[in-house]
Amino acid sequence: DAMVIQNPRYQVTQFGKPVTLSCSQTLNHNVMYWYQQKSSQAPKLLFHYYDKDFNNEADTPDNFQSRRPNTSFCFLDIRSPGLGDAAMYLCATSRDQEGANIQYFGAGTRLSVL
Amino acid sequence: GQNIDQPTEMTATEGAIVQINCTYQTSGFNGLFWYQQHAGEAPTFLSYNVLDGLEEKGRFSSFLSRSKGYSYLLLKELQMKDSASYLCAVRDSNYQLIWGAGTKLIIKP
Repeated sequence: DAMVIQNPRYQVTQFGKPVTLSCSQTLNHNVMYWYQQKSSQAPKLLFHYYDKDFNNEADTPDNFQSRRPNTSFCFLDIRSPGLGDAAMYLCATSRDQEGANIQYFGAGTRLSVL
Repeated sequence: GQNIDQPTEMTATEGAIVQINCTYQTSGFNGLFWYQQHAGEAPTFLSYNVLDGLEEKGRFSSFLSRSKGYSYLLLKELQMKDSASYLCAVRDSNYQLIWGAGTKLIIKP
């Protein structure tokens, strides 16, 4: 059974139209991450939550926001998607951040912007 | 800056052995991960190295040399299903994962 679930798998939105991507986990992990990955590129960390503590990467555009209402769920809000935001968005979780803590990924949401 | 280098693409033959190299320059070192990513899918964990040496796990092995900032992933008895991208990631002193762009491995019959 999938332990990190992302919905939807494919999302099409219009330029400038807000969109929300969702992620849920059954692992009861403390940390949840959002990555953006473009074709043949490394995953780019946007932000992560350690419990309720939000940690934004310095180069994450203000257009990207996140919410974690409880341990199991985390959302990525893109307020005004641009053409450059078309990418795969990956959610990951880990029990903790140091040492051998593995990040477990969801299947991803592929976002298209028209 | 922090940097992970991997070859962009490699080709190998079914049944053969392939070695995928990764070199890194990071702010501190708290372990190195290898992930497999099939096209259009999420990365899945393969191996973790924090001490120098070879870690073997079935057909896959991973090697680390911290003094050289170097790791490799060794895949034996290649199967067609091993066609995927292989990503190297290093946990830095802030416990963040620094990712390489991945090596696309093409397996030919």
